[in-house]
Amino acid sequence: GAVVSQHPSRVICKSGTSVKIECRSLDFQATTMFWYRQFPKQSLMLMATSNEGSKATYEQGVEKDKFLINHASLTLSTLTVTSAHPEDSSFYICSARLTGGFATEAFFGQGTRLTVV
Amino acid sequence: SQQGEEDPQALSIQEGENATMNCSYKTSINNLQWYRQNSGRGLVHLILIRSNEREKHSGRLRVTLDTSKKSSSLLITASRAADTASYFCAPVGGYQKVTFGIGTKLQVIP
Repeated sequence: GAVVSQHPSRVICKSGTSVKIECRSLDFQATTMFWYRQFPKQSLMLMATSNEGSKATYEQGVEKDKFLINHASLTLSTLTVTSAHPEDSSFYICSARLTGGFATEAFFGQGTRLTVV
Repeated sequence: SQQGEEDPQALSIQEGENATMNCSYKTSINNLQWYRQNSGRGLVHLILIRSNEREKHSGRLRVTLDTSKKSSSLLITASRAADTASYFCAPVGGYQKVTFGIGTKLQVIP
């Protein structure tokens, strides 16, 4: 089956620094990837839709200058949390969709737990 | 957006009993996926059912899909304490973004 890999699985950083999270589709090409954030005991909230070769589409209330998304290839999307603050501490999950075909399936990574101290 | 809404929000059963949770959605889909999330962990893909399928089995899991009612159900038979987790459905259609409901929090009491 299709596999989506996220790296790192856990990261601790200091306030004011930037953190990059990678999302890779290991055995398929993904035109579209999605980034989610989950606060403790809450559901996954969609942050943005990442499209290969074009700018990401951000959900309302998500700062695009703070959460930089780059989807430079069909197998890799990155989310960079810039100038991180403790309130950015959260669980971030990516999802990748198969390219082409009628049934575009979505597969999810295992998530990255970010702690900003 | 294509959001699934799970019901009930919380479910507590005794080990060995069956657990049934439901999912409703609003627009057309290509497939619907069920996921499990243990507390503080990532999503684990459980099962995918395509829009032209009505029922699918995987081990102790049974998923049904009724596209006319835009609903799906997940049945876990002979539940175990290790099944304690939150369960989410993810309706997937076309190029629409996928959003999640609040899930069903299942507690299986040993």
